[in-house]
Amino acid sequence: RKEVEQDPGPFNVPEGATVAFNCTYSNSASQSFFWYRQDCRKEPKLLMSVYSSGNEDGRFTAQLNRASQYISLLIRDSKLSDSATYLCVVNVYTGFQKLVFGTGTRLLVSP
Amino acid sequence: EAGVTQFPSHSVIEKGQTVTLRCDPISGHDNLYWYRRVMGKEIKFLLHFVKESKQDESGMPNNRFLAERTGGTYSTLKVQPAELEDSGVYFCASSQDGEAFFGQGTRLTVV
Repeated sequence: RKEVEQDPGPFNVPEGATVAFNCTYSNSASQSFFWYRQDCRKEPKLLMSVYSSGNEDGRFTAQLNRASQYISLLIRDSKLSDSATYLCVVNVYTGFQKLVFGTGTRLLVSP
Repeated sequence: EAGVTQFPSHSVIEKGQTVTLRCDPISGHDNLYWYRRVMGKEIKFLLHFVKESKQDESGMPNNRFLAERTGGTYSTLKVQPAELEDSGVYFCASSQDGEAFFGQGTRLTVV
């Protein structure tokens, strides 16, 4: 079983739609959680950290369920510019920290 | 402030040759990571330096890969001899506490 699992997609949605991505992680030593965005042929960039209480940044909402080892990202009012791959990233601490990446979920927003 | 920089951005080499990739982390970041994305697969961890020490090299594929971080500043990743399956994008990231910042990656093609 992969340490971090995501549906690779692609998710094809029209502009203005709401879309949700899910991610599960297997290592209970996971300490912190992130959503990164990666555009084609670019490096991953932090979209937002994910906190236990849930957090929102504009059209983006991230939630964490530690009991179920589950992370989600909700994008409201999708824009064309949201088209990218969204990477679920888990920071595992086992004496030292290591970022573990999911495969990424590809989002395509169409006019 | 300069971000994480990697050199070269692209490299095409023949099977059996040697290639050295370089990463300059953000100044002051103790943590330096190397990751690799092979076509169609997720980003995978290679190794982690804390300052000049290798904290975790469990992701290094085999002994053809050698990473160093002299003086705890920049890092190099040498592949010798390169094989076809080494082709991919090699990302370097650095962090101090929490968020990891990525370089633009080196796209390595072994022919």
